[in-house]
Amino acid sequence: EAQLVESGGGVVQPGRSLRLSCAASGFRFDDYAMHWVRQAPGKGLEWVSGISWNSGNLGYADSVKGRFTISRDNAKNSLYLQMTSLSGEDTALYYCAKDRGGGGFYGMDVWGQGTTVTVSS
Amino acid sequence: EIVLTQSPGTLSLSPGERASLSCRASQSVVSSYLAWYQQKPGQTPRLLIYGTSARATGVPDRFSGSGSGTDFVLTISKLEPADSAVYYCQQSGNSPYTFGQGTKVEIK
Repeated sequence: EAQLVESGGGVVQPGRSLRLSCAASGFRFDDYAMHWVRQAPGKGLEWVSGISWNSGNLGYADSVKGRFTISRDNAKNSLYLQMTSLSGEDTALYYCAKDRGGGGFYGMDVWGQGTTVTVSS
Repeated sequence: EIVLTQSPGTLSLSPGERASLSCRASQSVVSSYLAWYQQKPGQTPRLLIYGTSARATGVPDRFSGSGSGTDFVLTISKLEPADSAVYYCQQSGNSPYTFGQGTKVEIK
C-alpha cells in the first residue's frame, strides 16, 4: 500500500527557515511526480509546489516562489520542501502528495497525514 | 495564474437528491488536467475525479465529472450521508496548479 509520511514541521519564528521531509513507501517513488499542498487553519487547499519524477519540471505557487525550494532524492524515496523567510501566512498543515503521473501532473492520488508549520514569535 | 471559482459555496440537500457542483476557470483548462477532491472534516483530501471525468480507484459511480474549456461540473447522483464534505476542483495544466475555494455539501 502506498504511504507518505511527512516530518519536519514545528513552531518557527518569522523570518526563519524550516525543511520539511516526506518519506514514501509502497510504490515506485521514482516513477511519479510529487507535490506539496498546504491548508491554513479553517481554510481551503493551496497547492504549494510540484516536481516531476526526474526533477526536470518544477512549479511553485506565486505566494512561495523565491522562498521555497522543492527537491527529491529518488535513491532515498524522499521529497523535501526547504522553506525560507517564513511569515505568519505560511502557518498551515503541509501535505505531501503523490501524482498519478510522472513527467506531467494529472491529479494527486495518495496523500500523507500532513505536518504542521506554525510561524509565530 | 488560472483562478478557479467554485459555486455554490454551500449546498444543502437531502439524501437521494442530486448535487451539481460547478468549477469555472478564468482561462481554458485542458481536460486532462482537471481534478476533483473530497475532504471530510478532520481527514486528508481524497482524489475523486481526474482528467475531468475519470473516476479514481474505489470511487462510487454516483460521482461523475464533466465539462470542457472553462466550465466543469462534479455531479453526485444520489446523495448519501457519507457524502457530507468539502469538494475542491484543481487544475494542473498551467503552473501554478491552483485549487478552487471549495464547495461544502451538507446532507439534511
